[in-house]
Amino acid sequence: IAGITQAPTSQILAAGRRMTLRCTQDMRHNAMYWYRQDLGLGLRLIHYSNTAGTTGKGEVPDGYSVSRANTDDFPLTLASAVPSQTSVYFCASSDRGGSDTQYFGPGTRLTVL
Amino acid sequence: GENVEQHPSTLSVQEGDSAVIKCTYSDSASNYFPWYKQELGKRPQLIIDIRSNVGEKKDQRIAVTLNKTAKHFSLHITETQPEDSAVYFCAASNSGGYQKVTFGTGTKLQVIP
Repeated sequence: IAGITQAPTSQILAAGRRMTLRCTQDMRHNAMYWYRQDLGLGLRLIHYSNTAGTTGKGEVPDGYSVSRANTDDFPLTLASAVPSQTSVYFCASSDRGGSDTQYFGPGTRLTVL
Repeated sequence: GENVEQHPSTLSVQEGDSAVIKCTYSDSASNYFPWYKQELGKRPQLIIDIRSNVGEKKDQRIAVTLNKTAKHFSLHITETQPEDSAVYFCAASNSGGYQKVTFGTGTKLQVIP
């Protein structure tokens, strides 16, 4: 692994289903983030983690949950997907939090029908 | 919380001309201002950043200026080339601790050959 990866690349999901988006980084960065990107709305922060074992809510956390059991992994879970969660999801990491370069994963395109 | 406004939302320039994208922020405590470039279908990548202790920073054809009194900062691209066509995002954060980054809504730049 080099950098930050996400899986799956894309997914079509029925409303009401549970879905976990995976994110893994090998840079030993302390901070990790989940954003959703919608046309005209830019990148909106869903959840973040400053370090392993801690998480926090971003701008649009409702309907999403995260965990940070170790430094490398930061999965995002949609407990019961709804069509408004159709979006492109980007995971990112940085070494020293908000004042440092964020490195983004390749993104996951999620469609909820 | 922080609010970042970005203008214009779209910008078309002739190849070789300059492009300017402007952002304003609301939180006077913000002191780190990165700019990200996102090519079509790709992930956002940092192109330049500036901290509040400087007023201008240059990197080849790209420059960023910061006016902390007015709470605005701008991205300047000179001698634009077709490969500069992309969506550009400004952002702001407070480096005190592990703070979140707030992104602008993006500017789609088209460089016409």
